[in-house]
Amino acid sequence: DQQVKQNSPSLSVQEGRISILNCDYTNSMFDYFLWYKKYPAEGPTFLISISSIKDKNEDGRFTVFLNKSAKHLSLHIVPSQPGDSAVYFCAASASNTGNQFYFGTGTSLTVIP
Amino acid sequence: NAGVTQTPKFQVLKTGQSMTLQCAQDMNHNSMYWYRQDPGMGLRLIYYSASEGTTDKGEVPNGYNVSRLNKREFSLRLESAAPSQTSVYFCASSEGFWGPGQRTQPQHFGDGTRLSIL
Repeated sequence: DQQVKQNSPSLSVQEGRISILNCDYTNSMFDYFLWYKKYPAEGPTFLISISSIKDKNEDGRFTVFLNKSAKHLSLHIVPSQPGDSAVYFCAASASNTGNQFYFGTGTSLTVIP
Repeated sequence: NAGVTQTPKFQVLKTGQSMTLQCAQDMNHNSMYWYRQDPGMGLRLIYYSASEGTTDKGEVPNGYNVSRLNKREFSLRLESAAPSQTSVYFCASSEGFWGPGQRTQPQHFGDGTRLSIL
């Protein structure tokens, strides 16, 4: 049973525009969320995280929003660049149950020059 | 700074053969992990090691064994490979200790081992 879901397998965006990647989760005990970026033939690379005590975290062009009531988080990339083309995974963990990360299935982002 | 190094990068096995996937990290991390990634599925945890000398099962441990050889190295062994174990395997490490109430840390991943079992 998938506890973390990314319902959009792919997304295409024009360079310079905003990319919005979405993630939903079912376990209300999750209290820490991360986004990873993955290029082909490489391992996932940590991008940005957010704790459940916040609803927004920003790092340069990347912002993660958390809506706990909706069990939903999103990653905004502004402005999008061709180098952002990659697969993005969201992951979640619950600190009171051992910190195992549960990953979504990924969204493949293509930024069109 | 190599980070997390996995060997080999590619391997083809026949059903029933055994193999050990190697992983080493040079970041002095306490916790290490093995994941598998399959098409249409997220990364799934096979085994983890919260600290040197300890290992424990993750979400999908059947058919695998692990050894935390020292703080740097964490190996994954397939004793009798099956076609269902065809996958991309990722090793990861993180600072801090895994456990309830512990501060969660992002994991750093290797580049993966692509394993095909015929």
